[in-house]
This record gives sequence, structure tokens and C-alpha cells, in this order.
Amino acid sequence: EAGVAQSPRYKIIEKRQSVAFWCNPISGHATLYWYQQILGQGPKLLIQFQNNGVVDDSQLPKDRFSAERLKGVDSTLKIQPAKLEDSAVYLCASSIGQGTFTDTQYFGPGTRLTVL
Amino acid sequence: AQTVTQSQPEMSVQEAETVTLSCTYDTSESDYYLFWYKQPPSRQMILVIRQEAYKQQNATENRFSVNFQKAAKSFSLKISDSQLGDAAMYFCAYRKNTGNQFYFGTGTSLTVIP
Repeated sequence: EAGVAQSPRYKIIEKRQSVAFWCNPISGHATLYWYQQILGQGPKLLIQFQNNGVVDDSQLPKDRFSAERLKGVDSTLKIQPAKLEDSAVYLCASSIGQGTFTDTQYFGPGTRLTVL
Repeated sequence: AQTVTQSQPEMSVQEAETVTLSCTYDTSESDYYLFWYKQPPSRQMILVIRQEAYKQQNATENRFSVNFQKAAKSFSLKISDSQLGDAAMYFCAYRKNTGNQFYFGTGTSLTVIP
């Protein structure tokens, strides 16, 4: 079974530029998550999708971050314009979406963003 | 709000020895789930072990076991017979019974000394 795919793996941009990350979840997984992991911290949920609908985006800085999940499969996360404090690893995860105990989140390898 | 605290930023263990990583959490819920995730240097998070709060029996997965103390809101991870491949960041995570949002601790970096 293929895992969660993310691209690019690394990205370096100047502040005020825009950037987009892509995530392809495990086939059949209804729930998709985007996390921000700043160096030395645990992952922080940015947004959670159930199919193509948003379940939770309470911690998404909506003035600069946006995310979409077209057709309930792939997802993109965009930052525009980027700030220095956006430097982090952006993790995508997916799960079957039943909300049960065994509904494990599977994580992708992440995209390491550096904002200069 | 739920918070998860890992008070040990770094730990080290000799190969083949046993190490325990600490985790405490804060919640007003009575039913929830707890997890330990491992994040090797490649950065892909992997589930190590999980525990349902209503189960008193501690979960075990091969060399990994937990000590779940519900009243103390403590959820420690014990790694027995440590191996070099166990070296990684370990994150404790909490999830409500409903919904699927995880709350992660800040992690413990485990070094295994040959």
C-alpha cells in the first residue's frame, strides 16, 4: 500500500513570496490533515478535511494560509505572502476517517520550508 | 483545551537497556485515546503504540509498553532492549473520543548509545 506522498520535500523562498505544498493521501482515506511542525516543537494541526469539506481550521492563519482538497483526494496548502516565522516542516497525514480508536493517522515525509 | 507535556527534551540509553519516556496531559474528558509516535531523522512519523483511556490494562507492542495512570493523567513509554534503530524523536499525543484532532507534545529526542 502506497503511503502519503508530499512534494516538494524542501523549499527555500524569500519572505513575502508565495509557496504551495501538495499532498496525496493514502487511497480511500477520507480524512486529510495538514500540520505545521516548527523546529523543537510537536506538530500543530492547521486544517482537517473530511472528504472535501473542512472539519477544523481554527488554527490556520487565514490571512496568509489557504488550503483546498479538490474532489476529496489530493490537497494543496498555500502560503501567501510568507513570513520568516513560517519556516517549519509541513506534514500531511491521512486516516480512514471513521473516528474510531483504530483510525490511525499515517504521515507523509513532510516539506521543509525555509523562509529567508 | 487539551495540552500534552513531555518534560524530557532529550534522553539517552545504552543499547540493550531499558528507557522510559514521560508524558502527562490535561483534559476534562473521561474517554479519550493516547498515542506514542516515533519520528526518525527522515521525518516520517510512525505510530508506536496506542491506548484507550477506558482500558486499565496497559498496551504492549513487542519491546514497547506503556504505563497509563489515568488519575495522574500520565502516559509513559517504556522501551525494552533498546536498539540503534530506536533513536528518534518520540511524540506523545492525545485524541478525543470524538473527532480526529490530535494534540502533540513537544517531543523527546532519544539517543541510543552503542
